[in-house]
This record gives sequence, C-alpha cells and structure tokens, in this order.
Amino acid sequence: NAGVTQTPKFQVLKTGQSMTLQCAQDMNHNSMYWYRQDPGMGLRLIYYSASEGTTDKGEVPNGYNVSRLNKREFSLRLESAAPSQTSVYFCASSGYSGATQYFGPGTRLLVL
Amino acid sequence: ILNVEQSPQSLHVQEGDSTNFTCSFPSSNFYALHWYRWETAKSPEALFVMTLNGDEKKKGRISATLNTKEGYSYLYIKGSQPEDSATYLCAFQGAQKLVFGQGTRLTINP
Repeated sequence: NAGVTQTPKFQVLKTGQSMTLQCAQDMNHNSMYWYRQDPGMGLRLIYYSASEGTTDKGEVPNGYNVSRLNKREFSLRLESAAPSQTSVYFCASSGYSGATQYFGPGTRLLVL
Repeated sequence: ILNVEQSPQSLHVQEGDSTNFTCSFPSSNFYALHWYRWETAKSPEALFVMTLNGDEKKKGRISATLNTKEGYSYLYIKGSQPEDSATYLCAFQGAQKLVFGQGTRLTINP
C-alpha cells in the first residue's frame, strides 16, 4: 500500500517548456488535489477533483491544466513553464471532498 | 474567500517548555477543523480532526481544543522535544474542500 505517489521527484525546465506531473493513489479515494508550496505562502490549491470525471479550479489555477485520468490518477500539466512556477508541488487525496487529505512526497520543480 | 489565520507565523521554544498556537476560522458553515504536522522535506501528515464545539483531542504530548462558536482552535505541545520541530497547519472544512492556514513554524532549541 504505497498511499500517494508522485513522479518525478525533481525536475528542471527551461522557460517555455512543457511537462506533466503525475500523481496516483491506491486508497480508493474519490477526491484528489494539487497544491504548490512557496516560502511564506503555505499550501495553495491549484486544482482539485472532487470525484472521477470532475475537476475544479482552486486558488491559483493560471498556467496549469489537470486531467483526472481515472479514479487513481490525477495529473498536472504545465503547458509553457515560467520561472514563477518554480515551486514544490504536492498531490493529495481524500475519501471525499473535505475529508482528511493524504499527501504525496512532493515534486520539486525549477524553471530557469 | 475563506480566511483561515494561524498565529504566530513562527515560534522558537526551549526544549522542555510547553507551547501553544492558534488557528482562527469562520464560525459559519463549519463541518470540521483539521490539524496537520509538516516536517521539513517531508509531506504534511494528519494529526487531528475535530467536529464538535468543545472537542478536545490528544496524541501523546500534543493536544488540541476547538471553539466553533467563536471560530478558533488551539494546539498545545507539552514538554517540547526537538522532534516536535515542524510546521503545524490547520485546515477549515466547510461545505467542500479544505482551506489551509499558512501554518505555524515551530523550532525547538535544545
């Protein structure tokens, strides 16, 4: 039982490049989330998926897209990376929207 | 926009001392208040979920109280140890997703 897994753990991009961050959970959770963590800003919600087949914007969605591929997987895509997107990205899941969230190990992204 | 405030933002405490910090949240549309512990270079981990006014939860030396009428929760750590050094996050659960505060960063000085 791996919980929430994220890939990659670390990535360096050049401005304008695209990439997809992958997240998977094996807890049969309905809801999944993407956050970014920046110094002094805490956790900020980018997008979430309350259930399979639905996605909604969070606090800071600009520059990102998401796909809830199936119940297990929720990916975050940066179409044209910018230095302002340098951050640590956390994926989380919960049994239902609003329940206790379980976090992945994070992806550290550096955009040059 | 929901406002979840934590204070202080950071705290330095001597090993063995007790400490506490606060989470303030809206008193309307309340479902639950969550506390997480977040160690450096790790992921946040759930500590407590509290739902009822007057709730008290305890886990070892860490305890939390809840006042939903006035919209605050306290987290207490008794006899702080170096391993308690972490950021403590609270999260307000309203109708849907959790809304996180910015955290209190606790450092225990040996």
